[in-house]
Amino acid sequence: GDSVTQMEGPVTLSEEAFLTINCTYTATGYPSLFWYVQYPGEGLQLLLKATKADDKGSNKGFEATYRKETTSFHLEKGSVQVSDSAVYFCALSDRGSGTYKYIFGTGTRLKVLA
Amino acid sequence: EAGVAQSPRYKIIEKRQSVAFWCNPISGHATLYWYQQILGQGPKLLIQFQNNGVVDDSQLPKDRFSAERLKGVDSTLKIQPAKLEDSAVYLCASSLGQHNTEAFFGQGTRLTVV
Repeated sequence: GDSVTQMEGPVTLSEEAFLTINCTYTATGYPSLFWYVQYPGEGLQLLLKATKADDKGSNKGFEATYRKETTSFHLEKGSVQVSDSAVYFCALSDRGSGTYKYIFGTGTRLKVLA
Repeated sequence: EAGVAQSPRYKIIEKRQSVAFWCNPISGHATLYWYQQILGQGPKLLIQFQNNGVVDDSQLPKDRFSAERLKGVDSTLKIQPAKLEDSAVYLCASSLGQHNTEAFFGQGTRLTVV
């Protein structure tokens, strides 16, 4: 079945450091890929998405490129801020068994230190 | 635009008791999801509705969990009887469609079974 694998956390960085959070997936179909973020005390919210191979999703300085050949969708940011501290979830939406559904990774906690 | 509303925010019950959670999705969203998020894990889909019909409930423990979406709007998720391992955050989400569309999440209900 479909699945999403994220790198283990927590990830601790200093402000202005470069961030990469790895995400790989397996899917029976041709999925859409997403990154969701959960700030402390809040619900999940969409950060960015990509719907086909080589698409790049971007938002708030974060980027991720849909790599079909490596089945990956790694999240990157060139210079993190303290306000980026949150849990990041990689997810896919795929038509498996006739219905589309979202499948989430386990999440990666990011802590940015001033 | 109002977001996805869930209630209650927190609930503590004893094992073998019953509990119900309520969700009001964003107006006009046909797809509604219930997820279970155990501490340290990613959200796991329990059930997905398209309007008032169930499109996926393959991971819903049907011996104790039930959900309905009468009139294709509000939804309730019930657990009867609860077990200790049901302690988790229950997330409701909604989206306009099933694929390539953003899922909007409520803040969740944190359930503690003692």
